[in-house]
Amino acid sequence: RKEVEQDPGPFNVPEGATVAFNCTYSNSASQSFFWYRQDCRKEPKLLMSVYSSGNEDGRFTAQLNRASQYISLLIRDSKLSDSATYLCVVHTGGFKTIFGAGTRLFVKA
Amino acid sequence: DAMVIQNPRYQVTQFGKPVTLSCSQTLNHNVMYWYQQKSSQAPKLLFHYYDKDFNNEADTPDNFQSRRPNTSFCFLDIRSPGLGDAAMYLCATSRDPGLAASYNEQFFGPGTRLTVL
Repeated sequence: RKEVEQDPGPFNVPEGATVAFNCTYSNSASQSFFWYRQDCRKEPKLLMSVYSSGNEDGRFTAQLNRASQYISLLIRDSKLSDSATYLCVVHTGGFKTIFGAGTRLFVKA
Repeated sequence: DAMVIQNPRYQVTQFGKPVTLSCSQTLNHNVMYWYQQKSSQAPKLLFHYYDKDFNNEADTPDNFQSRRPNTSFCFLDIRSPGLGDAAMYLCATSRDPGLAASYNEQFFGPGTRLTVL
C-alpha cells in the first residue's frame, strides 16, 4: 500500500460544478497535511494547509479525518483556471514529506 | 520578493556527461530539498539539507550528489546521467519543521527540466 494514495482521475467537469478529491494516508502519526496545485510542466504551489479538522478559503474547502486517515478537497463553482493536478501532501514527522501522485482536473466550458 | 530560483530552467546533457543543477533562495530557510519528478508521477525526495547537515534518502542512487556551500545555495550533481534520469528536478525550501506545523510548508522553485541524449 502506498503511503499516500489519490484517485488519479482525470476528473472532467463543466464550469460551475462542484468536485471533490479524496486522499488517504497510511501513517497514523502524520502531523500536517497540505494540498498543492501543479500546472502542467510547472512547480507545485501551495493551495491549502490542513492542521485541524478543516480549512476553507473561498471556493476551496479541505477537510481532515484523522480516524479514517483521509483528507479531502472540495472545489465549488469550478473555473476553467482550476484545471490542474492537485497533489495531496502528508508530513509524517521530522523532514519526511510524502506526495501523492496527484489528481488531474479538467474544467470545461 | 522572496523566492526560490533554479538555474538553468532547461538542461540538455549527453549520456554519462556530468551535470550540475543550481538552486538559490532568498527566504533564509534552514532546509533545502531536492526532488525528482517524472511525468505523471509524484515528486520523489532525493535528499535534503538541514543547515549544513546532509540527509540522503535510502533509495537515492549514488549517482546523485548534493552540495550546500551556504544558506542560500544548493547544488544537485548528477555524476553520470542515464536515460532514466531525464526528469524535472525541483528544489524546495522550508523552515525548521520541528518548530511548528506550519513550518512544514515547502516553497518550490520553478524546476529544471533535464533531458539526457
